[in-house]
Amino acid sequence: EPEVTQTPSHQVTQMGQEVILRCVPISNHLYFYWYRQILGQKVEFLVSFYNNEISEKSEIFDDQFSVERPDGSNFTLKIRSTKLEDSAMYFCASSDRGEKLFFGSGTQLSVL
Amino acid sequence: AQRVTQPEKLLSVFKGAPVELKCNYSYSGSPELFWYVQYSRQRLQLLLRHISRESIKGFTADLNKGETSFHLKKPFAQEEDSAMYYCALTNAGGTSYGKLTFGQGTILTVHP
Repeated sequence: EPEVTQTPSHQVTQMGQEVILRCVPISNHLYFYWYRQILGQKVEFLVSFYNNEISEKSEIFDDQFSVERPDGSNFTLKIRSTKLEDSAMYFCASSDRGEKLFFGSGTQLSVL
Repeated sequence: AQRVTQPEKLLSVFKGAPVELKCNYSYSGSPELFWYVQYSRQRLQLLLRHISRESIKGFTADLNKGETSFHLKKPFAQEEDSAMYYCALTNAGGTSYGKLTFGQGTILTVHP
């Protein structure tokens, strides 16, 4: 069964550094998402992406965040200048019609 | 604002016992409700959606608009049902269809 792939599984970075989290969605899917889960808290929506543009974003997704689909297969989340509070598990998801979401296994980001 | 509440963080039952995981929501529009499950060391995956009205792995969930609830039920729990269960909500038919609001999750443990 096709899966959403996320790399790396763990990322450690220093505060203020830029990080790029990578995702390869399922190949025929058209809708892409990033979610995050801070330890002990709920899974939170960050952004949705369709037709090469952001379709919706949450209040969390400020100017420090950006998403890109650089080559038609990868879907990336960039955090420009990481803060301690960005430490979380980041989940990528994709779907074909925006209904059933398929999640990746997540990237655990630790900001020191 | 939309909100999903799962009042139980932990739920323990014995194998063969009935189980009910509670979910309440608040939403002003027309919601679609989901249950997602995360088994140990696996990714988050869709268990069922209210509009499908299906039973998956013996689980059912009925949307009660009067009580704004979407409780997940299974008459006879199995050890393999042990997992984290998340209730989630989205706007039915809207452009933000894949934007899910999650509850905080319930860890179900089924003892032999």
